[in-house]
Amino acid sequence: DVKVTQSSRYLVKRTGEKVFLECVQDMDHENMFWYRQDPGLGLRLIYFSYDVKMKEKGDIPEGYSVSREKKERFSLILESASTNQTSMYLCASRPPAGGRTDTQYFGPGTRLTVL
Amino acid sequence: QKEVEQNSGPLSVPEGAIASLNCTYSDRGSQSFFWYRQYSGKSPELIMSIYSNGDKEDGRFTAQLNKASQYVSLLIRDSQPSDSATYLCAVNRRDSNYQLIWGAGTKLIIKP
Repeated sequence: DVKVTQSSRYLVKRTGEKVFLECVQDMDHENMFWYRQDPGLGLRLIYFSYDVKMKEKGDIPEGYSVSREKKERFSLILESASTNQTSMYLCASRPPAGGRTDTQYFGPGTRLTVL
Repeated sequence: QKEVEQNSGPLSVPEGAIASLNCTYSDRGSQSFFWYRQYSGKSPELIMSIYSNGDKEDGRFTAQLNKASQYVSLLIRDSQPSDSATYLCAVNRRDSNYQLIWGAGTKLIIKP
């Protein structure tokens, strides 16, 4: 079974803090994603990585950065947390296109509250 | 117009009945369509994927795709209380093999 883990289930931070969210997958997937999920808005893509050190901006990258130094690990960084970044953050991974499956596998999520 | 639209619900269905969930999308170039289920407090998990017009069945679930009308639906037969969840529709971006556009989800409640 694919396993995607995230460093924290719940996190409380203060405005202006630098926040690191970690995601690790154990299936050697090239593609990894960071989403945020807010009521009524669905999942919105923040950043996407298709290989080590490779990244693409998603729909809402402002205020975020990412790091992919190893294939299994994809980190989301909030440079200076703000209250409007309070949300559920979901990491996902998937195998390369053209394979047997294009399923995105999700981690358990991190509920971040910024005070 | 949102790129992927779903009725937010809640949709209430009696146990044993058929639940019908609908999704419309705006990009005619989309080729891949997915239904994910998300239980409260949990992360999404894939139920069905569909790529061609018509029906695709998997157990109690049937996905239906109509590209001409730009809608995709999910039917759940013999609905069970354990089917109560939010169902997310996702569609691939035309210019990406990897990225999905997500609907906001429909909350389904199965009443015993």
